[in-house]
Amino acid sequence: GNSVTQMEGPVTLSEEAFLTINCTYTATGYPSLFWYVQYPGEGLQLLLKATKADDKGSNKGFEATYRKETTSFHLEKGSVQVSDSAVYFCALFSGSARQLTFGSGTQLTVLP
Amino acid sequence: GAGVSQSPRYKVAKRGQDVALRCDPISGHVSLFWYQQALGQGPEFLTYFQNEAQLDKSGLPSDRFFAERPEGSVSTLKIQRTQQEDSAVYLCASSPTGGDQPQHFGDGTRLSIL
Repeated sequence: GNSVTQMEGPVTLSEEAFLTINCTYTATGYPSLFWYVQYPGEGLQLLLKATKADDKGSNKGFEATYRKETTSFHLEKGSVQVSDSAVYFCALFSGSARQLTFGSGTQLTVLP
Repeated sequence: GAGVSQSPRYKVAKRGQDVALRCDPISGHVSLFWYQQALGQGPEFLTYFQNEAQLDKSGLPSDRFFAERPEGSVSTLKIQRTQQEDSAVYLCASSPTGGDQPQHFGDGTRLSIL
């Protein structure tokens, strides 16, 4: 079946530090890959997506590249801000299953 | 409305009671999904509708869980004879079609069973 493995948290960084959150996946076929962000007390918001190998998704300074050879979709940001503090979820969508499969989430705290 | 709306935001019930959670998707969205999110975990799939048809209910944990979307828009997730392990946040999401278009999530209903 499909599965997503995320880097365990929590992750604590100082403002302007470089961020990497690792994500690897197992899936049948050719899934689409997503990063969602969840701010305290709120629902999930789509951060970025990639639908095929070598695609790079980007938004708000965050980037992730769909690597089929390593089955990875690591999230990166060059300079984090306090406002980036949230829980980040990696997810895949497989057409055969027609559902999102999520990782367990990574809590990010950015200190001023 | 502009986004997916869920109600109530919080629900407290005694063990054994029945509860009903409502989801109002983005207008015109064909696909609707329910997920269960336990504390500190990622959401887990419960069920999927395309219009009024429930195409996948493989994630429903027991026959106490029932979902419907009779007119292809608003959906209700019902849990009968609630148990403590049902305590979680229940998330609803919708998307324009049934493909890999991004799902738009509501803020969820936090269910606490005492």
